[in-house]
Amino acid sequence: KAGVTQTPRYLIKTRGQQVTLSCSPISGHRSVSWYQQTPGQGLQFLFEYFSETQRNKGNFPGRFSGRQFSNSRSEMNVSTLELGDSALYLCASSLGAQGNTEAFFGQGTRLTVV
Amino acid sequence: AQRVTQPEKLLSVFKGAPVELKCNYSYSGSPELFWYVQYSRQRLQLLLRHISRESIKGFTADLNKGETSFHLKKPFAQEEDSAMYYCASSGFQKLVFGTGTRLLVSP
Repeated sequence: KAGVTQTPRYLIKTRGQQVTLSCSPISGHRSVSWYQQTPGQGLQFLFEYFSETQRNKGNFPGRFSGRQFSNSRSEMNVSTLELGDSALYLCASSLGAQGNTEAFFGQGTRLTVV
Repeated sequence: AQRVTQPEKLLSVFKGAPVELKCNYSYSGSPELFWYVQYSRQRLQLLLRHISRESIKGFTADLNKGETSFHLKKPFAQEEDSAMYYCASSGFQKLVFGTGTRLLVSP
């Protein structure tokens, strides 16, 4: 079966702009989580969605937001981009709650803010 | 607060040497612990989880609740083990990852 798909793979944006990233989970998976991966901080949890509801949120400013659609696809939005937002953004899907069942990761979207 | 610590950023060993990747966690409840691995140019993927008590690719990890540790071990490292390894704990329905340890196995 198809794995987790993230689009686009690469993005270059200017400070102050906004960006939307997309994640299509594995068919049948209802939980989608987003992580920010940077060399210094590792993977940091952004938020998790389950059946269109945000169940959990990490310690990121309100500029980071997300949503999940009825088909479980999820989008993440970052507004007023800052240079420090440059990172690899990973999406993970799982059958049940994150942590209770195996998380399957996408290949990520590499965002560069200039 | 839920936290996972991996003290080593880089661990370099020779092929055939034993490997131990350290992981310590802090969580007030009873978390589930995982090791995820990311090989070069591949996705992050689950290596093993403590409840399954499996040995995957020769790796094992034992949960030590007294020391709040979940170290990853392999008796004889192989070159194909070179990768980034992340320890993670679950709690409050989210996964918290450590900062990762890069394992480099030289011939």
